[in-house]
Amino acid sequence: QSALTQPVSVSGSPGQSITISCTGTTGDIGLYNSVSWYQQHPDKAPKLMIFDVTKRPSGVSNRFAGSKSGNTASLTISGLQPDDEADYFCSSYKNLSGTAVVFGGGTKVTVL
Amino acid sequence: EVQLVESGGAVVQAGGSLRLSCAASGFTFDDFTMHWVRQIPGKGLEWISLISWDGDSTYYADSVKGRFTIFRDNTKSSLYLQMNSLRGDDTALYYCTKGAPEYIVTATSFDYWGKGTLVTVSS
Repeated sequence: QSALTQPVSVSGSPGQSITISCTGTTGDIGLYNSVSWYQQHPDKAPKLMIFDVTKRPSGVSNRFAGSKSGNTASLTISGLQPDDEADYFCSSYKNLSGTAVVFGGGTKVTVL
Repeated sequence: EVQLVESGGAVVQAGGSLRLSCAASGFTFDDFTMHWVRQIPGKGLEWISLISWDGDSTYYADSVKGRFTIFRDNTKSSLYLQMNSLRGDDTALYYCTKGAPEYIVTATSFDYWGKGTLVTVSS
């Protein structure tokens, strides 16, 4: 069982917007602004899409946006495109005395 | 161009040992915290370990503490993971990842990933 909770799957039609939630605790997401989101296509390594809750690395489309409220972080993908179909994982810094980084179980995004 | 190339994955018997390597290029290796993250194919991600840019600080997930050792050679721009007392639940694809930004031990955004090296522990 993953430390962060994500929906197993989310779907949307091309052009629509979808939001993926990632729920943690007061000891990780609720305490630190160190939430990241990763996109993973089949048989590929994960790709960083969002870091520090809301920031996009250079080269990542502005259709991807991150946010956080309390113990829950969210990733919104607007203007859904076929290539957005992938698995998405959230992560959060937790603490150095135990498991430093916790991940969500992943969400499969399907473009209908 | 940043590149991380893992090697060393193999099929090993339970109780055995293995050393993974990661060759880094395209960035100033000794400025960054580095991590190992693993993934059972088709499943989720699990953070395993991190090492600070200077190698002075190391941290481990509870699942591998006491069995795995992370170390680095900044003169060779290389990261390593020594895995001992391997168990069946260590079977996974192991990724070398670069933490961002530089000079922060808790740099836990992974902005570059290798392609991974597969470790299979047989009983």
